[in-house]
Amino acid sequence: GQQLNQSPQSMFIQEGEDVSMNCTSSSIFNTWLWYKQDPGEGPVLLIALYKAGELTSNGRLTAQFGITRKDSFLNISASIPSDVGIYFCAGQIFPDKLIFGTGTRLQVFP
Amino acid sequence: DAGVIQSPRHEVTEMGQEVTLRCKPISGHNSLFWYRQTMMRGLELLIYFNNNVPIDDSGMPEDRFSAKMPNASFSTLKIQPSEPRDSAVYFCASSLEGPGGELFFGEGSRLTVL
Repeated sequence: GQQLNQSPQSMFIQEGEDVSMNCTSSSIFNTWLWYKQDPGEGPVLLIALYKAGELTSNGRLTAQFGITRKDSFLNISASIPSDVGIYFCAGQIFPDKLIFGTGTRLQVFP
Repeated sequence: DAGVIQSPRHEVTEMGQEVTLRCKPISGHNSLFWYRQTMMRGLELLIYFNNNVPIDDSGMPEDRFSAKMPNASFSTLKIQPSEPRDSAVYFCASSLEGPGGELFFGEGSRLTVL
C-alpha cells in the first residue's frame, strides 16, 4: 500500500537553530498536511497545502507542496523549546483517507 | 468549545479481557475516525464513519476489533479478547468535511495489555 517516508526520523538541535524535514511518497497526492504531536497529546494540524508548488507559512513554520506532488517539506525557523514533539506529514487524494508519514521526532535543547 | 473527548485516558488490562474505548466527537462534525499509534507502525487508520455509518474498516486488524457509532455524539472501539500486541495509543478524531477535512484528534487512550 501507499507509504509516506519522513526524514529525518529524529533531530536534536540547539534552541535558535532552523529545522528542515521532508516527506516523500511513491504516489502523488493532491493534499499535503503537516501535524504536530506534543507529548501525551493527539496530533494538531499546523499547515495544509492544496496545490502543487504552493508555499504556505504559519508563524515560524513554512511548508511547501512539491512540484511532483510526491513530496512536501516543512521548515521551522529559530526553534524554541516548545517546538519539541513529533511532526507528521499526511497526504491525501480526495475523497480517500489520509495517509500519515512515519514522523520526525524533534528535540530542542536550550 | 470542547474538543474530541476520549475515555479512558489510560487502561491496563490482562490478556483475554474485553476493552472498550469511548469517544465523543466535536459537535457538528459528521466524520469520526479511530487511529492506533505504535512505535513500530506509526499512526494507522482503523476505521472511519461518515454520518454514523462505517465507510472504511479495512484497517481493523481482525475480528477481535469492532467499532460502533450509535449516534452522532458517541462511538466505541471494542477489543475482545485483548492481546499484548494490542498495546498502543488509540486516537479518535473527527472532522467536519469527511476524510478530506482537517482532523481534530482527542488526547488518546493508552492501552496496555499484560
